[in-house]
Amino acid sequence: DAKTTQPTSMDCAEGRAANLPCNHSTISGNEYVYWYRQIHSQGPQYIIHGLKNNETNEMASLIITEDRKSSTLILPHATLRDTAVYYCIVRRTGTASKLTFGTGTRLQVTL
Amino acid sequence: GAVVSQHPSWVICKSGTSVKIECRSLDFQATTMFWYRQFPKQSLMLMATSNEGSKATYEQGVEKDKFLINHASLTLSTLTVTSAHPEDSSFYICSGGAGIQETQYFGPGTRLLVL
Repeated sequence: DAKTTQPTSMDCAEGRAANLPCNHSTISGNEYVYWYRQIHSQGPQYIIHGLKNNETNEMASLIITEDRKSSTLILPHATLRDTAVYYCIVRRTGTASKLTFGTGTRLQVTL
Repeated sequence: GAVVSQHPSWVICKSGTSVKIECRSLDFQATTMFWYRQFPKQSLMLMATSNEGSKATYEQGVEKDKFLINHASLTLSTLTVTSAHPEDSSFYICSGGAGIQETQYFGPGTRLLVL
């Protein structure tokens, strides 16, 4: 699976949009971009994933560049409860396709 | 999203004893589950892939005789830490895949402390 690069940490004011970037320049054509987050002392929570089109759900939006070498996770109105480590992972779909976690981005949402 | 549970949520045991951790998929069936562990201030590290009805596959450096995995049904995988030692103290997390694309959903984790 392709490796990803994320900033180590970011800050965001509550109520503002949080934009978390991820580089995955070696992504293959059959690999999806997945985003998870881990709030302290909990298991990772699935947020969103996409192949090449932009995706939106109740939690976030995922913007993938046309060349698929990078993406941005957008939390439209960050709250204090969004403070967590966010992981961007590229992965082939399928039963045996595991997730390889990097170091992620620690997002701190402040008042 | 799909729900995965783990039991127990935390456990304290004496050195040399064995500890069993259960991972259940509550609203989906999982032919494959994954087991991870996470040490303080570190990321998740994959330990093994649990396959229903067959042997688990272990990542390099993970002792299969120490971390016994059983995946006897499509909704239950167990991880047994045998002869636990203080260095096995960690946060153990499982995941299972749901949906056409087998999106992985994670359990809440089990915190193990070996004294």
